[in-house]
Amino acid sequence: NAGVTQTPKFQVLKTGQSMTLQCAQDMNHNSMYWYRQDPGMGLRLIYYSASEGTTDKGEVPNGYNVSRLNKREFSLRLESAAPSQTSVYFCASSEMAGLALGNTIYFGEGSWLTVV
Amino acid sequence: QKEVEQNSGPLSVPEGAIASLNCTYSDRVSQSFFWYRQYSGKSPELIMSIYSNGDKEDGRFTAQLNKASQYVSLLIRDSQPSDSATYLCAVNKRGGNKLTFGTGTQLKVEL
Repeated sequence: NAGVTQTPKFQVLKTGQSMTLQCAQDMNHNSMYWYRQDPGMGLRLIYYSASEGTTDKGEVPNGYNVSRLNKREFSLRLESAAPSQTSVYFCASSEMAGLALGNTIYFGEGSWLTVV
Repeated sequence: QKEVEQNSGPLSVPEGAIASLNCTYSDRVSQSFFWYRQYSGKSPELIMSIYSNGDKEDGRFTAQLNKASQYVSLLIRDSQPSDSATYLCAVNKRGGNKLTFGTGTQLKVEL
């Protein structure tokens, strides 16, 4: 999927456990994003990083933290997992901040997370 | 009011027919509009983008934008069973650096 790689693809966590979802892109994109997708709710933005060194909250940031490690990598951490965080998580990247004409975001293959 | 609204469907059309998918958005400063296709268990993939009022055609797909009515649509001509998927509408505000998605419309193309 257009050079965005996420790991792990599947994970089962117990309530209260922590974990980090890793994401890397090889397209030299400036901006990176983390979305979650739930039935009936669509894709909702958790956090994004417009450029290396910056991060901003999206629509549903509570319970998550992010790190923009370098231009290629953007990780999502669940400090104390809750059943409400059971979801499919997508990392994405785009060529430049501002999603100017002609640019859009490209998604990784997704990470299925279940919290029991 | 949701920022981006779509009918969840399912929308069923016979093979060879035209499928019409609709999307409305609430913020008038929205600038860029995108249609993504998502197969079950897969990630979204971009089909079309549109920025100016009117129609934009790409093969069997036509995107239509009406900023006055805050309405964007996707027409799929000669629908094929392989078009069966969920179609997501996404909107970007002027100068913004993130996309807001609708909940998607499920399309079923029947033989």
